[in-house]
Amino acid sequence: DVKVTQSSRYLVKRTGEKVFLECVQDMDHENMFWYRQDPGLGLRLIYFSYDVKMKEKGDIPEGYSVSREKKERFSLILESASTNQTSMYLCASSAAGEGDQPQHFGDGTRLSIL
Amino acid sequence: AQSVTQPDIHITVSEGASLELRCNYSYGATPYLFWYVQSPGQGLQLLLKYFSGDTLVQGIKGFEAEFKRSQSSFNLRKPSVHWSDAAEYFCAVGEDFGNEKLTFGTGTRLTIIP
Repeated sequence: DVKVTQSSRYLVKRTGEKVFLECVQDMDHENMFWYRQDPGLGLRLIYFSYDVKMKEKGDIPEGYSVSREKKERFSLILESASTNQTSMYLCASSAAGEGDQPQHFGDGTRLSIL
Repeated sequence: AQSVTQPDIHITVSEGASLELRCNYSYGATPYLFWYVQSPGQGLQLLLKYFSGDTLVQGIKGFEAEFKRSQSSFNLRKPSVHWSDAAEYFCAVGEDFGNEKLTFGTGTRLTIIP
């Protein structure tokens, strides 16, 4: 079974802090994704990566950056956290394909910015 | 760009009753379609997927979905719900040819009453 592990289930940080959310997958997947989930808005894609050191912006990249130094690890970085970044963050991975590969999700990190 | 609409924000059904969750998509070609379920405090789990062929697809936990091209729909069904089916359900559409992004609907929350 695919395992996608997010380093924290709950995280509380202060405005202006630099925040790191870590995600590791154990299935040698090429693709990794970061989403945020807010009530009534569904899942919105922040960034994704097709390969090591490669990244592409999703629908809402402002205020975020990412790092993928190793194939199994994809980090989301909030450069200067703000209260409007309080949300549930979900990481996912998938194998390379032609749009037909399902994404496998971690359990999420609920981030609160005070 | 493709889009997904889940017109029902919240549905309540009695345990043992049948269930249908609606999903409409907008996409030019034959889409890749997915249904995911999210239990409280968890990540998303894949229920089923449609790529081509038989328009009625079977998934896990007794769920099925039917692709109807003429109606641009991919509705999820279950003949008899169980209390453990209470969760949020997301429909998603995939892009093709190497672009592994998914576009998610805003979700339908399912409540089961005894």
